[in-house]
Amino acid sequence: DVKVTQSSRYLVKRTGEKVFLECVQDMDHENMFWYRQDPGLGLRLIYFSYDVKMKEKGDIPEGYSVSREKKERFSLILESASTNQTSMYLCASSPDFPREPGGELFFGEGSRLTVL
Amino acid sequence: SQQGEEDPQALSIQEGENATMNCSYKTSINNLQWYRQNSGRGLVHLILIRSNEREKHSGRLRVTLDTSKKSSSLLITASRAADTASYFCATDVNPGGFKTIFGAGTRLFVKA
Repeated sequence: DVKVTQSSRYLVKRTGEKVFLECVQDMDHENMFWYRQDPGLGLRLIYFSYDVKMKEKGDIPEGYSVSREKKERFSLILESASTNQTSMYLCASSPDFPREPGGELFFGEGSRLTVL
Repeated sequence: SQQGEEDPQALSIQEGENATMNCSYKTSINNLQWYRQNSGRGLVHLILIRSNEREKHSGRLRVTLDTSKKSSSLLITASRAADTASYFCATDVNPGGFKTIFGAGTRLFVKA
């Protein structure tokens, strides 16, 4: 079975701290994604990557950056955390390259971040 | 920006009844997917319907797609308490390929 693992289920950070959210997948997927989920807003795409060292902005990239040094790992970085970044963060991956449009996404369990 | 929007936002039914959730989207799509999320967990893929398909079945799930109306529906037949979850539709915009856009979801509660 495909496994997408997010390193932390719950984090509490202070305003201004640098935060790393790590995601690892074990199925050699080319594509990886970071979403944030907020009540009433559904999932919003922050960044995605379709290859090592490649990254593309999603719909809400402001305040975030990403790193993909290895195929299996996609990290989300909050350079200076703010209270409005309190949210559930979901990592996902998908196979197929060139990417088959609409390929199934496999999600991790999520990381719930609280910024005080 | 949200591509898909689900309706209703919340739905409460009795066990054994059918549950219907609707999704509308704005732009041309390659396909449409439905996902399920149990409270506090990640999303799990349920079913994918391609833009040239009109109906698809998987177990107790039935999905329809009407590209002329830019809408889809998910029907869960003979619902069970274990179906209690949030359900999301998701689309890959065309052109665009890599971006999968989700709606805000429908919260389904099935009473035993």
